[in-house]
Amino acid sequence: EAGVVQSPRYKIIEKKQPVAFWCNPISGHNTLYWYLQNLGQGPELLIRYENEEAVDDSQLPKDRFSAERLKGVDSTLKIQPAELGDSAVYLCASRRDTTGELFFGEGSRLTVL
Amino acid sequence: GENVEQHPSTLSVQEGDSAVIKCTYSDSASNYFPWYKQELGKRPQLIIDIRSNVGEKKDQRIAVTLNKTAKHFSLHITETQPEDSAVYFCAASNSGGYQKVTFGTGTKLQVIP
Repeated sequence: EAGVVQSPRYKIIEKKQPVAFWCNPISGHNTLYWYLQNLGQGPELLIRYENEEAVDDSQLPKDRFSAERLKGVDSTLKIQPAELGDSAVYLCASRRDTTGELFFGEGSRLTVL
Repeated sequence: GENVEQHPSTLSVQEGDSAVIKCTYSDSASNYFPWYKQELGKRPQLIIDIRSNVGEKKDQRIAVTLNKTAKHFSLHITETQPEDSAVYFCAASNSGGYQKVTFGTGTKLQVIP
């Protein structure tokens, strides 16, 4: 089966510019996660979707970050405006209901100048 | 919320020696404990997991032990090989479908040939 697909893999922007990341989870995976990974750190949860519903977004900085998962499949994570401290890797992961394993995408590396 | 601490942050071993990585968690409701391996520039991938009704699980050269009373779990890699060099993350997940997954800060393992 195809894995979790993320795009773009790399993005370099000026601060205050907007940026968007896209994630296509594994077919049939109802749960989708967006994680933030800083260099040398573990993934930190930004938001979790169960189908199209955001069930845990307590760690999402809502003043500049937004996310959506239309039709419970693909998801988009947006930052507007980006700040220097947003430079990181944004990981998307998906999970079937019946297992605990998370399947990660390759990540989107953001550099804010 | 759950807090997962992981030690050491870096670990160097000679090829053929054993490596041990330790994690503690705070939420007594956590009942699923996966370990992910992340090679440089690649996505995290599950290598082994353990559920709270089991004290130990082994898969070839890797094993995980769990002490629920102490809220402590460990990853053991025996007969290490250069390809074991990577960053390893422990994680803890609460009950009810293994939904929220909290990661440790990672251990960078270097196996010296």
